[in-house]
Parts: sequence; structure tokens; C-alpha cells
Amino acid sequence: GAVVSQHPSRVICKSGTSVKIECRSLDFQATTMFWYRQFPKQSLMLMATSNEGSKATYEQGVEKDKFLINHASLTLSTLTVTSAHPEDSSFYICSASTHNQPQHFGDGTRLSIL
Amino acid sequence: AQTVTQSQPEMSVQEAETVTLSCTYDTSESDYYLFWYKQPPSRQMILVIRQEAYKQQNATENRFSVNFQKAAKSFSLKISDSQLGDAAMYFCAYREDSNYQLIWGAGTKLIIKP
Repeated sequence: GAVVSQHPSRVICKSGTSVKIECRSLDFQATTMFWYRQFPKQSLMLMATSNEGSKATYEQGVEKDKFLINHASLTLSTLTVTSAHPEDSSFYICSASTHNQPQHFGDGTRLSIL
Repeated sequence: AQTVTQSQPEMSVQEAETVTLSCTYDTSESDYYLFWYKQPPSRQMILVIRQEAYKQQNATENRFSVNFQKAAKSFSLKISDSQLGDAAMYFCAYREDSNYQLIWGAGTKLIIKP
């Protein structure tokens, strides 16, 4: 099946640091990648939709200057949390999709800002 | 706007028994996809089963099957011969034919009693 790799799986850093999370589709070319945030015991909250070579589309309430998304190729998208603060601590998960295939998910990144 | 409702926050079932998780959705579209995803404690999102709305036949994947009632906008998941490894959060999701974005239900926590 389709494999999506997400790194790092765990990040602990100081407030004010910028953190980059990578999402790679390993065995297929992803037309679209999605970035989600998940709070404990809740469903996935879509942050943004990313298409290769174009600007990401952010959901209402998501700060695009805070959460920078780059989708430079059909196999790689990155999410950079800029100047992270404790309220940005969360579980971030990416997914990749192509044509009429289901979304395939990375294993997620647990971000803790001290 | 499309919505997905999972009315059971938590369900429990005895090992080896059968359990059904409910999901209803609201849409005015005629072509769409429905999914069940499983999220175990490891927080990976794993695709369990997928249903195309144009197909009348209910999808089946080994012990997992769905009861898709298009007119009633209902999409329940049946797990037969429940195993301890089935313990997880289960999320129902909807996607339009022309849009890769998923609309998520709130999730149902499934507990398997040994």
C-alpha cells in the first residue's frame, strides 16, 4: 500500500524556536497533501491543503505566517511552525492523496514547546 | 455544508463478539466517498474500509464490513470476531468526488474486553 513518511515523530524545543516537519510520499506522487492538527481525544482538524507548485490553502483561523507550508515536489511537503509557543504544542499529522485514492497518513509529529 | 456525525463517543465489546459503529452524514451530492479510519494508541491513522457512493454493494475487508444506506445517509461499520488489536478510535469520513478534502466525524472509542 501507499506509504507516507513523516519526520520527526517527536520534537521538544524552547519557546521561540521554529520547527520544521517533513511529509514524504515514498512510493507514489501526491497531487495533494494535507496538514492536520489533533488535540487530545478529538478528531483531526484540517489546517491547510497543499498542492505541488502552488500556495497552500489555509482553513479559517489558521495563521499562514505562523504555519508555513511548502510543497516543492510531488513527494514532499513541509510544515514550519515559526516562533513556536506553548500553545502550539499538539499532534500534527500529514496525509497525501492522488487522483481518486484515499488519503494516506504519516505517523504524526508530537510537538512540545517548553 | 457537508457534516459527519458519529453519535457514539464510546463503545465496548467482548472479544470475539461483533460490534457495529454508527455514522451518518449530510450532503446534497450524489457522487462521493465514505471511509472508516482507525487510530490506535500509537496515533497512526489507518484506512479500514472505503465505499464509493455509486456502488450499491457494501464494502468488505476481512472482518470489517459496512452497511451503506445511501437514502438514509448512513454508513455503519461492523467488526466481526473482535480482537484486542481492534481497540482504537474509529473515525468516519466523507469526501466529495471532486474534492480530496475529508470531512471527519468526532470519532468513537472502541474498547475490547478480554
